[in-house]
Amino acid sequence: NFMLTQPHSVSESPGKTVTISCTRSSGSIASNYVQWYQQRPGSAPTTVIYEDNQRPSGVPDRFSGSIDSSSNSASLTISGLKTEDEADYYCQSYDSSHRRVFGGGTKLTVL
Amino acid sequence: EVQLVESGGGLVQPGGSLRLSCAASGFTFSSYEMNWVRQAPGKGLEWVSYISSSGSTIYYADSVKGRFTISRDNAKNSLYLQMNSLRAEDTAVYYCARERTGDPFDYWGQGTLVTVSS
Repeated sequence: NFMLTQPHSVSESPGKTVTISCTRSSGSIASNYVQWYQQRPGSAPTTVIYEDNQRPSGVPDRFSGSIDSSSNSASLTISGLKTEDEADYYCQSYDSSHRRVFGGGTKLTVL
Repeated sequence: EVQLVESGGGLVQPGGSLRLSCAASGFTFSSYEMNWVRQAPGKGLEWVSYISSSGSTIYYADSVKGRFTISRDNAKNSLYLQMNSLRAEDTAVYYCARERTGDPFDYWGQGTLVTVSS
């Protein structure tokens, strides 16, 4: 089994761009799709990116996803930061036995 | 509108059992795979279990395998999680989540809290 490692927290100012990384410990990051979920305090998570870089309808194009095989990681980039983007973000992928694996989560502070 | 409503949470002693339910509405339940995901207080998300649309394929996280059983009743538009031999570390909010092609958790319920304590 593998782990997905995320930074515990990141912070950035409104209007700026932030990138959250998600590094896969073993196996190729490209071998299974990566999703990203946003969870605001007291609420259930919602999808902001699926299948590495696809945005669900209703998610602004300020949110983008990518994968980098050289670093074996996925990234979530949020541009034009707004205070409403302040939340916890989780990456998720699959293992070889079809089990779903979450990263530990990253707390984004917009200050 | 898609709705998922969990119920059945509560306080249970270590070693005890609990059955969670998830009532689905607003979509054709029998056409969708479903998952349970939990979140311990102040902690991150942990996937618990998956069930295919027909119920024929099931997966579990290692942490619950042999103790938890996922099931569904498509006639009742309901998903279940039978939890046995509960431990303190099973204390969490339990969410049911719908899966669609490309997104394993495209809709979530609001969760039900399970507390395992003596």
